[in-house]
Amino acid sequence: EAGVAQSPRYKIIEKRQSVAFWCNPISGHATLYWYQQILGQGPKLLIQFQNNGVVDDSQLPKDRFSAERLKGVDSTLKIQPAKLEDSAVYLCASSLVWDEQFFGPGTRLTVL
Amino acid sequence: GQQLNQSPQSMFIQEGEDVSMNCTSSSIFNTWLWYKQEPGEGPVLLIALYKAGELTSNGRLTAQFGITRKDSFLNISASIPSDVGIYFCAGRGYGGSQGNLIFGKGTKLSVKP
Repeated sequence: EAGVAQSPRYKIIEKRQSVAFWCNPISGHATLYWYQQILGQGPKLLIQFQNNGVVDDSQLPKDRFSAERLKGVDSTLKIQPAKLEDSAVYLCASSLVWDEQFFGPGTRLTVL
Repeated sequence: GQQLNQSPQSMFIQEGEDVSMNCTSSSIFNTWLWYKQEPGEGPVLLIALYKAGELTSNGRLTAQFGITRKDSFLNISASIPSDVGIYFCAGRGYGGSQGNLIFGKGTKLSVKP
């Protein structure tokens, strides 16, 4: 069974630029999550989708971050414009059973 | 908001030794999970716990859901070099949306052959 796929694996941008990350969850997993993991910290949930609807986006900085899951499968997370403090690993996860989440390898973002 | 305190922050042990780490919450949790993360990879689920007092094993790993519902423990027996990584506890409190996990800051484990 294929795992959660993410791309790109690495991205370096200048502050105020835009960036987008892509995630393809495990086949059949209706729930998809985006997390931000700052160096030395545990992952922090940004947004959770159930199929193509948003379940929880309470910790998403909506002034600059957006996410969508149009067809209930793939998802994209966008940052526009990026700030220095957005440097982190962005993890995508999916689950069939609540709480038992399977993570992708992440995208390491560096904002200069 | 809810917070998890995970300890120790790091551990340096000899191969073959047993390892213990724990996680405490400022409020009651109804789900505890333990993940392991290796460099350049996402966290991998090791053990999931759903009932207070529950004790679950996965090979050399054993985790327990504390009876107070505010803590959880992970033990690794007879450590080997491939146990190296960062171990995260994660939990969900009452009132949190389904799947909204809170993660600890991790315990970094180093194993000396």
